[in-house]
Amino acid sequence: GQNIDQPTEMTATEGAIVQINCTYQTSGFNGLFWYQQHAGEAPTFLSYNVLDGLEEKGRFSSFLSRSKGYSYLLLKELQMKDSASYLCAGLDSNYQLIWGAGTKLIIKP
Amino acid sequence: GAVVSQHPSRVICKSGTSVKIECRSLDFQATTMFWYRQFPKQSLMLMATSNEGSKATYEQGVEKDKFLINHASLTLSTLTVTSAHPEDSSFYICSAREGREGFYEQYFGPGTRLTVT
Repeated sequence: GQNIDQPTEMTATEGAIVQINCTYQTSGFNGLFWYQQHAGEAPTFLSYNVLDGLEEKGRFSSFLSRSKGYSYLLLKELQMKDSASYLCAGLDSNYQLIWGAGTKLIIKP
Repeated sequence: GAVVSQHPSRVICKSGTSVKIECRSLDFQATTMFWYRQFPKQSLMLMATSNEGSKATYEQGVEKDKFLINHASLTLSTLTVTSAHPEDSSFYICSAREGREGFYEQYFGPGTRLTVT
C-alpha cells in the first residue's frame, strides 16, 4: 500500500532551527511535495523535490533521498508565524498526491 | 500567478438542502481539479479527481450521487453536496493543476467551510 509517515507534532523555539522528517512508500514515485497549512486555511506550496539532494529556498530547505524513501523540511530562523501544520505528500506513478497526516509545528518565544 | 478561487468561503445550510461550491482557476487552465475534505485536526482527504470534460473519479467510500462534481471548463469545477446532513459539515478545499508536462504542483483554493444544521 501507499503510506506517508511524519511526526504528529513538534515544538521549537523562535529563532532556532527545526527539521521535520517524512518517510514515504508510494506506487511509483514522481516527486515529493511539502505544503504549509495554517489553521483554518488551505495549504500553500513550499517545495517540490524529484532528484536527490537539498533544495534551498530562503529560510526553508527540503531534502530528498529516493533510495531511502526519505525527505525532510528544514526551517531556519524560526518565526512565530511559522506555527502551522506541514504536510508531506508523495506523487505516485499516476501523478496523484499521497498525503501525510501533517506535522503540527508549535513555535514558542 | 496560479491563483485558485473558491466560493463561497462559508456556508450554513439546513439539513436536507443542497449546496454548490465553485472552484475557479483565475490565471491558468486547469486540466485537472481535485476536491478534498478536511475534518478538524485531520489531514486532507481526497474525495475526487476531475478532468475537464469527463466524469470525475471518486475515491473509495465517497458517494458520487451525494457529491456531484462538474468540471465544465478549463477554469471551473463545481461540487454540489446534495441532501446535506450534519455529518457533511467540514472544510472543503479544491485544488487545480495545469496540464503542462513536468508541472505537478496543485494550487489550492482558500476552502469552503460548510456547516449543516
